[in-house]
Formats: sequence, structure tokens, C-alpha cells
Amino acid sequence: GENVEQHPSTLSVQEGDSAVIKCTYSDSASNYFPWYKQELGKRPQLIIDIRSNVGEKKDQRIAVTLNKTAKHFSLHITETQPEDSAVYFCAASKGNTDKLIFGTGTRLQVFP
Amino acid sequence: NAGVTQTPKFRVLKTGQSMTLLCAQDMNHEYMYWYRQDPGMGLRLIHYSVGEGTTAKGEVPDGYNVSRLKKQNFLLGLESAAPSQTSVYFCASTEAGGSSGQFFGPGTRLTVL
Repeated sequence: GENVEQHPSTLSVQEGDSAVIKCTYSDSASNYFPWYKQELGKRPQLIIDIRSNVGEKKDQRIAVTLNKTAKHFSLHITETQPEDSAVYFCAASKGNTDKLIFGTGTRLQVFP
Repeated sequence: NAGVTQTPKFRVLKTGQSMTLLCAQDMNHEYMYWYRQDPGMGLRLIHYSVGEGTTAKGEVPDGYNVSRLKKQNFLLGLESAAPSQTSVYFCASTEAGGSSGQFFGPGTRLTVL
């Protein structure tokens, strides 16, 4: 079955710096890759997603890149702010309504 | 719209007791999912439903049952709770063929003693 690996498990950055979180997936049939942000005690919230027919997608300070050949996808956050501190999860599926397989999460801390 | 809601928010059970977690969505979504979240393990899919009256197993279905009698509700049952089922349970939903991704409920924190 599908397996998603996520690195690093923790990431600490200074406010204003960039943060990059990387994921790899095992099933070449996967074609939908969302990223969720989860603040402490709250529900996961979708922040950006990408489909396999696109190599990069950007939304203000957040961008996601996808390398289908290497089965890698990454989340890039620029100009980080303290409110970006949270746990970020990547996921993969064979369609946006198909079951998601999640990575184990990255705890991002942004220090002022 | 309330979005996705879950009942109850917290629950403590003794080993062997049973309970039902209720998930409700008012977005007319076809697809609904139950996940559990444990420290260091991310979210794992328990069961899911692609429409009213249908259910399917996810990654970790053992010890759980589900029912989708109405489109807006998805119930998760524990027939005989075990300490290994101590977790935070999240429900999610999404529209058929849509591009909006999965919307999550606020979660239920369950402790089994």
C-alpha cells in the first residue's frame, strides 16, 4: 500500500527565514498531494494542495513543489511568522476524494 | 454552515465499554472519513464512506464499526473499548469530484482506562 515519509520531524527557524518540509510517497498512482496545518488542540486545516499535472503551486507565502519522477513533494514557507508555528502534515492519494495517507508530521517553531 | 461537527468532544471509558462517536456535516458532501491521531504517528484512516449506505475499511479498522444511514451523518462505534484505542478521533468530509480537499471536524478525545 501507499506509504508517505515526512522530514524533518521538528524544524526551528527565526522569524523571517524560510522553512522547507519534504515528503516522499511510494505509490506512483498517487496524484493528489495536500498539506494540512494543525495548531495545538485544533483540527487539521488544508493550506495548499497540488495535483500531479502541475509541478509547482504558490499561494502568497506558501508554495508546494512536486517531482513525480522522484516521488517527492515539498512545502516551502517564506518570510515565516510566529503564527506559522504548528504541526504540518503532508498526504497523498489517488484523487482528492480517495483515502489520504498522511505523513507523520513536522512540528515547526518560528522564533521571534 | 456549521461545517463538520463531532459529538462528544471528550469521553473517558473503561475497558470493555462501548460507545458511538457521531460526525455530522451540513455541506452535502458525499465522502466521509474517520481518522485517529496518535502522537508521532500522524493521522490514520479507520473507515470511510463514499455515499449514503456504503462503508469501507481504511488502514486501521480493527475494533471499530461504522454506519452511514444518512448522507449527513457518519457514526463510529467501539463495541468493546481497549486502552489501545485511546486517541483523538477526527471526522472529515469532502464533495464528490470536487477540488476542495477534506474538511475536518474538531475532534473527539477518547481515553480508555
